[in-house]
Amino acid sequence: EIVMTQSPATLSVSPGETAALSCRASQSVGSNLAWYQQKPGQTPRLLIYGASTRATGIAARFSGSGSGKDFTLTISSLQSEDFAVYYCQQYYNWPPWTFGQGTKVEIK
Amino acid sequence: EVQLLESGGGLAQPGGSLKLSCAASGFTFGSYPMSWFRQAPGKGLEWVSFISGSGGTTHYADSVKGRFTISRDNSKSTLYLQMNSLRAEDTAVYYCAKDVGETWGNIVVVVGAMEFWGQGTQVTVSS
Repeated sequence: EIVMTQSPATLSVSPGETAALSCRASQSVGSNLAWYQQKPGQTPRLLIYGASTRATGIAARFSGSGSGKDFTLTISSLQSEDFAVYYCQQYYNWPPWTFGQGTKVEIK
Repeated sequence: EVQLLESGGGLAQPGGSLKLSCAASGFTFGSYPMSWFRQAPGKGLEWVSFISGSGGTTHYADSVKGRFTISRDNSKSTLYLQMNSLRAEDTAVYYCAKDVGETWGNIVVVVGAMEFWGQGTQVTVSS
């Protein structure tokens, strides 16, 4: 099973700033990496798949990069609606599909 | 517009059973792989089970293997999760999710990223 590790656990950012979230896989997952956003009491929303492809309707301020074992989700010019928990998920070697433990982006 | 609507959650006793349903609309349901995920209170996301578009291939997380059964009725555009021998650690919000899917000719291939998620249904296992 591939273990996904996200850092930091919590990221405090001011509105308008840029946030960089990290995700590391225990072995290479190629580009088979997705990012999801989840707000309190809401369902997860796909942001990025294929490590860097934005899902339909996702704002351009969300960008993904990386391949192999190390990935980054960058959120530029953070807006109030972006404060949430973000999860990475690998789908290179399945089953199982595995997630990181999440990074909470909070208002500084 | 894609919609996934789960139902069937509730309170069950340890050792009991529940059957979840996920009614889908807005896409060609029978073409797409589907999965169930869950999220325990205050915890992260956990994959539970997968089923191919035809229903011929299924996979389960080790934590539910032998106790849960995934199925689908493509004529009704509905996904199911039969949960037996429930345990306290099965307490969670359960989500159904649609795979992004990649079309190769007239076949939809598994991608593994989940494009749409239902609103979730709460399952509580307690005596």
